[in-house]
Amino acid sequence: NAGVTQTPKFQVLKTGQSMTLQCAQDMNHNSMYWYRQDPGMGLRLIYYSASEGTTDKGEVPNGYNVSRLNKREFSLRLESAAPSQTSVYFCASSIMNQPQHFGDGTRLSIL
Amino acid sequence: QKEVEQNSGPLSVPEGAIASLNCTYSDRGSQSFFWYRQYSGKSPELIMFIYSNGDKEDGRFTAQLNKASQYVSLLIRDSQPSDSATYLCAVIGPGAGSYQLTFGKGTKLSVIP
Repeated sequence: NAGVTQTPKFQVLKTGQSMTLQCAQDMNHNSMYWYRQDPGMGLRLIYYSASEGTTDKGEVPNGYNVSRLNKREFSLRLESAAPSQTSVYFCASSIMNQPQHFGDGTRLSIL
Repeated sequence: QKEVEQNSGPLSVPEGAIASLNCTYSDRGSQSFFWYRQYSGKSPELIMFIYSNGDKEDGRFTAQLNKASQYVSLLIRDSQPSDSATYLCAVIGPGAGSYQLTFGKGTKLSVIP
């Protein structure tokens, strides 16, 4: 029972490069979320998808795009990475407003 | 702007004592409340959720909710060194279809053997 799987686990990018973080869940959850976690700032919501086919901005969406590929998969794309996007990124999923379950995270460094 | 406030700690308690973690929230219509535990370098792990006023117990953990005071707490009885972690309070605000969690910045708990 994998739960929420994120890839990659670690990544180093140069400023201006692009990349996509992948997230997949096998719990048949409708809703999926992307957060970033920075020291002293806590977890902040970047984007979420309440159901397949919909996406909405969270608290800190600038510099990111998302795609809800199907019910299982929700990807986060950085088009032109900036050092301010160095963070730990977590994907989560849930059934509506029930508890969210988190993946193991992606540690992203941008030089 | 929804806000969830927690004391950052660190909160130090001796092994076997009761640890009390507190959280206040700004949005009076908030409907769902969660406590997550996060070990250093790991992802948040759900330990308790509560939707109604009062207490909810699960093993050594008790969540307490007081909507009139906009206050939610987590008690950990018989604290163990393995409970040493950062505890995150999270809240879902009002409104149908609102699924967004707002997190506090967390309280770091240290249980001293």
